[in-house]
Amino acid sequence: QKEVEQDPGPLSVPEGAIVSLNCTYSNSAFQYFMWYRQYSRKGPELLMYTYSSGNKEDGRFTAQVDKSSKYISLFIRDSQPSDSATYLCAMSATNYKLSFGAGTTVTVRA
Amino acid sequence: GAVVSQHPSWVICKSGTSVKIECRSLDFQATTMFWYRQFPKQSLMLMATSNEGSKATYEQGVEKDKFLINHASLTLSTLTVTSAHPEDSSFYICSAQDRTVGNTIYFGEGSWLTVV
Repeated sequence: QKEVEQDPGPLSVPEGAIVSLNCTYSNSAFQYFMWYRQYSRKGPELLMYTYSSGNKEDGRFTAQVDKSSKYISLFIRDSQPSDSATYLCAMSATNYKLSFGAGTTVTVRA
Repeated sequence: GAVVSQHPSWVICKSGTSVKIECRSLDFQATTMFWYRQFPKQSLMLMATSNEGSKATYEQGVEKDKFLINHASLTLSTLTVTSAHPEDSSFYICSAQDRTVGNTIYFGEGSWLTVV
């Protein structure tokens, strides 16, 4: 079993729809949770950063962390074609060494 | 957000030669930087953790003598691929940890290495 599980998709949604992404993990020591967006042939861009459990909202993006279920989510409201990318969940314990999900490829259709 | 710069973005080298990739944190000091490798349509694979002023910590299976890492200052880490071979062709990405902002980790733009 992988330490971080993420459905690779692909996920295709119409413009304006809500994109729902999630990851599960097995290491209970994880306490820092991040979502990155990666466009083709580019480095990952940090979207959301959450410490421990809870929700965090930033513009059209909402991140949720449920440590009791070892489950994290990212929601993108009012999706745009420019949101088409691969979304990577990442998490770490106290040593800040990131463990990544496989990444979910998202396409937002105009 | 913070910026991490990688150079070069693209490099082509001949088999048997060495190539150096630089990773710089532009507006913060990074005592810890990380080097990753990413194959097409796959997630990032951590190669090593680079700590300023000390030896890098390599992940299992990563050859220390082939992938030389130097972290000589708080804003610069370098990865040198020595005696490169075509199988070393890949996308190499660095990240840097900003301890002043909740230990947030920012990534560089990546460097494409093609060994011919």
